[in-house]
Amino acid sequence: QVQLQESGPGLVKPSQTLSLTCTVSGGSISSGNYYWSWIRQPAGKGLEWIGRIYTSGSTNYNPSLKSRVTISVDTSKNQFSLNLSSVTAADTAVYYCARQGVVGGNWYFDLWGRGTLVTVSS
Amino acid sequence: QSALTQEASVSGTVGQKVTLSCTGNSNNIGSYAVGWYQQISHGAPKTVMFGNSLPSGIPDRFSGSKSGTTASLTISGLQPEDEADYYCSTWDYSLSAQVFGGGTKLTVL
Repeated sequence: QVQLQESGPGLVKPSQTLSLTCTVSGGSISSGNYYWSWIRQPAGKGLEWIGRIYTSGSTNYNPSLKSRVTISVDTSKNQFSLNLSSVTAADTAVYYCARQGVVGGNWYFDLWGRGTLVTVSS
Repeated sequence: QSALTQEASVSGTVGQKVTLSCTGNSNNIGSYAVGWYQQISHGAPKTVMFGNSLPSGIPDRFSGSKSGTTASLTISGLQPEDEADYYCSTWDYSLSAQVFGGGTKLTVL
């Protein structure tokens, strides 16, 4: 079955760029009708949607993060990636990648990665 | 502040029926179906409801509904393993963004 796995540095310095990759295994990132998303969760807080990319490459971003976020897809590696620039301590969180599929004409998260903790600190 | 409003906490006893609510507006819940996501002990979220449809493997004691701008997740016959944080989420067309509720902590007494 399809699985998602996040990877990337666990520690990023303030003002630098946070870069994470989500590897899709057990299936092709290019097949099917899916959005590929990034979601984060600061310690003790709720889930925050960061953005998503469709298999065609079109993107949507959280308005509050839009100026700092880039999501891209590499179909040759079956991966999609997150870049978040100019990070501060407020960006410290567990970052999840997730897949959105269509059920009855509506989009839902139907598959989640395990998450990876990223700490922003000097 | 979350775009969708959920109760901070709900509790129930084993076997009881509990309902969690998620309130939004015409730009989100009023226009789109709502997904529900279970998070146990801060682990990875797990999808427990696609609108009013059950994902494969989710017990049928879970059910979902929507009326106007409020969506609900009902658990009939509460089990100890249902103790978790539950989040609702949907699309908001005015924001062009996916939005989440703040989450409800469900405690099984």
